[in-house]
Amino acid sequence: DGGITQSPKYLFRKEGQNVTLSCEQNLNHDAMYWYRQDPGQGLRLIYYSQIVNDFQKGDIAEGYSVSREKKESFPLTVTSAQKNPTAFYLCASSEQGYIQYFGAGTRLSVL
Amino acid sequence: AQSVSQHNHHVILSEAASLELGCNYSYGGTVNLFWYVQYPGQHLQLLLKYFSGDPLVKGIKGFEAEFIKSKFSFNLRKPSVQWSDTAEYFCAVVNSGTYKYIFGTGTRLKVLA
Repeated sequence: DGGITQSPKYLFRKEGQNVTLSCEQNLNHDAMYWYRQDPGQGLRLIYYSQIVNDFQKGDIAEGYSVSREKKESFPLTVTSAQKNPTAFYLCASSEQGYIQYFGAGTRLSVL
Repeated sequence: AQSVSQHNHHVILSEAASLELGCNYSYGGTVNLFWYVQYPGQHLQLLLKYFSGDPLVKGIKGFEAEFIKSKFSFNLRKPSVQWSDTAEYFCAVVNSGTYKYIFGTGTRLKVLA
């Protein structure tokens, strides 16, 4: 069953804590993406990766970090520097300029 | 900077009414255009896409969109909406040959039965 798998579905972060969101794809796509979805603001790009071991900042990268050690995996770390982390996070993958496929999302809340 | 504008943030319609959602983008090069839909509790999924050719494209569930290059627009239409079309709709653009997609802020559609 091909697609994008995000985990966990819900995540809670304590003050000063870093948390990592998982994203795995088995579509053999080169590119992977992380978006943040807030009500009324659409999808805002955090980071994207065109190829293994390479990634670029999106429009709202501050307070986030990523790695791309494997083609299938693109984890996102929300660091303590991100002062407003509560949001719905979406991972996607695609071929260049083509259809993006999205995961089910992770809802992050702050305790 | 590239941007995508969706002017209708919330739309409420009765069943059988016609729908048109606006989408304008600010990029002059060759672009690929998309409409995605997010039904309550479900994944964001592709509704339709335009890459080249006939500027009137048809998607799933009776939706269609028209690409008007001179107006930088890609409006979504459906002649007769159903209650099951209640969802959030996103327009997206990517510069052909690149990887960075730009999304609009979304339109929440509520269809009253």
